[in-house]
Amino acid sequence: DADVTQTPRNRITKTGKRIMLECSQTKGHDRMYWYRQDPGLGLRLIYYSFDVKDINKGEISDGYSVSRQAQAKFSLSLESAIPNQTALYFCATSDGIAQFFGPGTRLTVL
Amino acid sequence: AQTVTQSQPEMSVQEAETVTLSCTYDTSESNYYLFWYKQPPSRQMILVIRQEAYKQQNATENRFSVNFQKAAKSFSLKISDSQLGDTAMYFCAFMMYGGATNKLIFGTGTLLAVQP
Repeated sequence: DADVTQTPRNRITKTGKRIMLECSQTKGHDRMYWYRQDPGLGLRLIYYSFDVKDINKGEISDGYSVSRQAQAKFSLSLESAIPNQTALYFCATSDGIAQFFGPGTRLTVL
Repeated sequence: AQTVTQSQPEMSVQEAETVTLSCTYDTSESNYYLFWYKQPPSRQMILVIRQEAYKQQNATENRFSVNFQKAAKSFSLKISDSQLGDTAMYFCAFMMYGGATNKLIFGTGTLLAVQP
């Protein structure tokens, strides 16, 4: 089984809808991250969390929120999706040095 | 602020040949980590190799090795005996040592195509 899983793998939604992307990990890491990948821009950090009670904004947090339900679970929400949030979204965990990524969620906002 | 630059948007190599991907970075820090990640068509981000800046010895992982030039702020990836499965986007990434965020800063990637 994969160490970092993301659901759904693909999602198409409409402008204005609320969307939640989920991430689970079995690596036992405290640190978890959400990134967004756009063509030509690499990966950019949305939010990160060092434990259940710790949530921090990344460089592009506007329009997003997160929830750390447990050490193993970190969810990303788009409260009111807009077309420019169409992207590939990655969850990652860290052992304090290297980061380990989930398979990604392809989100399309029409 | 730290930045990572990959100046080669695309590269091509013949199977079994050797290819080198370039990466430069800018930082005023002296202690940091550098990484290469591979993203094949499956879109999974896979850690290929990492280098601690305080180590002079270049990291090696099987067919993958780096040329780390700290003074020049250069971190290139060499792939030997290229295989078709090496076809992927390759990202160089920087992380400050002991930083509060453990944040990775990525370059924009190099698309490598291995030709049969």
